[in-house]
Amino acid sequence: QKEVEQNSGPLSVPEGAIASLNCTYSDRGSQSFFWYRQYSGKSPELIMFIYSNGDKEDGRFTAQLNKASQYVSLLIRDSQPSDSATYLCAVISQYNTDKLIFGTGTRLQVFP
Amino acid sequence: DAGVIQSPRHEVTEMGQEVTLRCKPISGHDYLFWYRQTMMRGLELLIYFNNNVPIDDSGMPEDRFSAKMPNASFSTLKIQPSEPRDSAVYFCASSLLGDEQFFGPGTRLTVL
Repeated sequence: QKEVEQNSGPLSVPEGAIASLNCTYSDRGSQSFFWYRQYSGKSPELIMFIYSNGDKEDGRFTAQLNKASQYVSLLIRDSQPSDSATYLCAVISQYNTDKLIFGTGTRLQVFP
Repeated sequence: DAGVIQSPRHEVTEMGQEVTLRCKPISGHDYLFWYRQTMMRGLELLIYFNNNVPIDDSGMPEDRFSAKMPNASFSTLKIQPSEPRDSAVYFCASSLLGDEQFFGPGTRLTVL
């Protein structure tokens, strides 16, 4: 089992819709969770982080964490074509708090 | 701050040649990470430093890879001799506390 799993996609949503990106992780003791956005040919860019169960909102982005289910998600409201990118989920394990463990990413396509 | 700086941005070399990639972290950041990204394997952590000291090099593929951080503002990743399978994008990232990591623009390496 991979430590951090994401559906590779592509996830296609129409402009204006809500895009829901999901991530599961294997280490129940994981402490911190991050979402990175990576445009094609560019470097990963941190867009959200969450440490506690529940929701965290930042503009059009909402991160949701459920530690009991070992599940973290990213919701993008009012999706725009400029949101089209690969979204990487990353987790910090309880065993090494210095290292991010990345999923392989979900490619999101927002069509007009 | 200019962010994480990497050079060169692109490198094309022939098999067997030595390749040196360079990174300047964000000033004040104590952590520096080297990653490799390929389509097949995604984003892989190669090695990371804390206060210029290598902490975990378990991701370094083999002895052909080496990394140094002689001071807080400079790090190198060296491949000697290079092989075609080393072709990838190499990212450097830095972090203040080890969690929120900021990536440089990457070096796209092609080994012929």
